[in-house]
Amino acid sequence: DSGVTQTPKHLITATGQRVTLRCSPRSGDLSVYWYQQSLDQGLQFLIQYYNGEERAKGNILERFSAQQFPDLHSELNLSSLELGDSALYFCASSVGGTSGVEQYFGPGTRLTVT
Amino acid sequence: TQLLEQSPQFLSIQEGENLTVYCNSSSVFSSLQWYRQEPGEGPVLLVTVVTGGEVKKLKRLTFQFGDARKDSSLHITAAQPGDTGLYLCAGAKSGNTPLVFGKGTRLSVIA
Repeated sequence: DSGVTQTPKHLITATGQRVTLRCSPRSGDLSVYWYQQSLDQGLQFLIQYYNGEERAKGNILERFSAQQFPDLHSELNLSSLELGDSALYFCASSVGGTSGVEQYFGPGTRLTVT
Repeated sequence: TQLLEQSPQFLSIQEGENLTVYCNSSSVFSSLQWYRQEPGEGPVLLVTVVTGGEVKKLKRLTFQFGDARKDSSLHITAAQPGDTGLYLCAGAKSGNTPLVFGKGTRLSVIA
């Protein structure tokens, strides 16, 4: 158990819909990272927040957005969902704000868009 | 183009055999990490290497960072079924750039 929690574990929704994925980092960690994992692309970095502020942005679509709240939990919002958005979405956390530090991953949310 | 290339993509071996998997790049990384991921779970950090030529051992696993900090290898001695999983390498070009992951090596150890 990494100490990072993610909800829900599974999510099935239709194209065009909007969903919210939630992540709580390990106690004491200030950074939260979001990743998308698909079979063909592997693990792709989406976005990082550090202590409530956006720190780094990766291959995140405009239809996706994220935020980190004062209690440090984070939410990833995915809208106008397409079939290709079906993937595993992972949240990771670390103590510091530098991306190269060791990250601890949550169990993931499996999103299926039908 | 994948920044970190991992090979082989798939590996199936018998229990007790040794194996090496590779993580290669044309770019220099300030640090490199290895993770293991089991089906339905998130990646679990195994090791971080930061110095060129560094070798780290974790029980039967030996990790090496290339002298030029462009590549790394993971050697497993006397593999066991519990070693089965997806092995991912991830590199950071600097402290302020996101981790870049390879696509992984999927290892299956058969009893």
